[in-house]
Amino acid sequence: AQSVTQLGSHVSVSEGALVLLRCNYSSSVPPYLFWYVQYPNQGLQLLLKYTTGATLVKGINGFEAEFKKSETSFHLTKPSAHMSDAAEYFCAVSDPNSGGYQKVTFGTGTKLQVIP
Amino acid sequence: GAGVSQTPSNKVTEKGKYVELRCDPISGHTALYWYRQSLGQGPEFLIYFQGTGAADDSGLPNDRFFAVRPEGSVSTLKIQRTERGDSAVYLCASSFGLSFQETQYFGPGTRLLVL
Repeated sequence: AQSVTQLGSHVSVSEGALVLLRCNYSSSVPPYLFWYVQYPNQGLQLLLKYTTGATLVKGINGFEAEFKKSETSFHLTKPSAHMSDAAEYFCAVSDPNSGGYQKVTFGTGTKLQVIP
Repeated sequence: GAGVSQTPSNKVTEKGKYVELRCDPISGHTALYWYRQSLGQGPEFLIYFQGTGAADDSGLPNDRFFAVRPEGSVSTLKIQRTERGDSAVYLCASSFGLSFQETQYFGPGTRLLVL
């Protein structure tokens, strides 16, 4: 069975500081990995995804994530936090051999607070 | 263009009642998904449709939950004999197809409260 673990339910960073949100996955086969963001009172929005190929994935709003198979990790980073980045972030995984890649399993989320 | 819409945005009901939650996907999207997000948790997969048929309903928690998509567009999630534990935000998403390249677009959700 596939699963993801997000370390830290709340993360606070200063405006302009590095953002690092941690995600570790468990999957029996090379997975597809996703990061979604949820702004207050809005739907989930895809930030970026890894399926195959280059392990460093760039997404919207300056975010990127690196797939590290040896560490079973897919951490999300952004060099410089903006106030508008304050939201909840979800890491997610899908296993092509476990119901198909569209059957997505989400982590419990990390709320990012950006301090002016 | 219009995104995924869900109605109602909020629903309060009493234990034991029946509720229907509606999802209007993005026009032209053939795949549609339902998730449930409980407080403090990530979304949990319930069911997804390809066209009119349920391709995978393994996430439905029990037989009180049922979803339909009769014309391959709008979908309704139906919950019978609601229980307090059903209180959650129910999310709908749609995608153009089932290719791994396709992105799921989420609606704002329906917040269900069972008293």
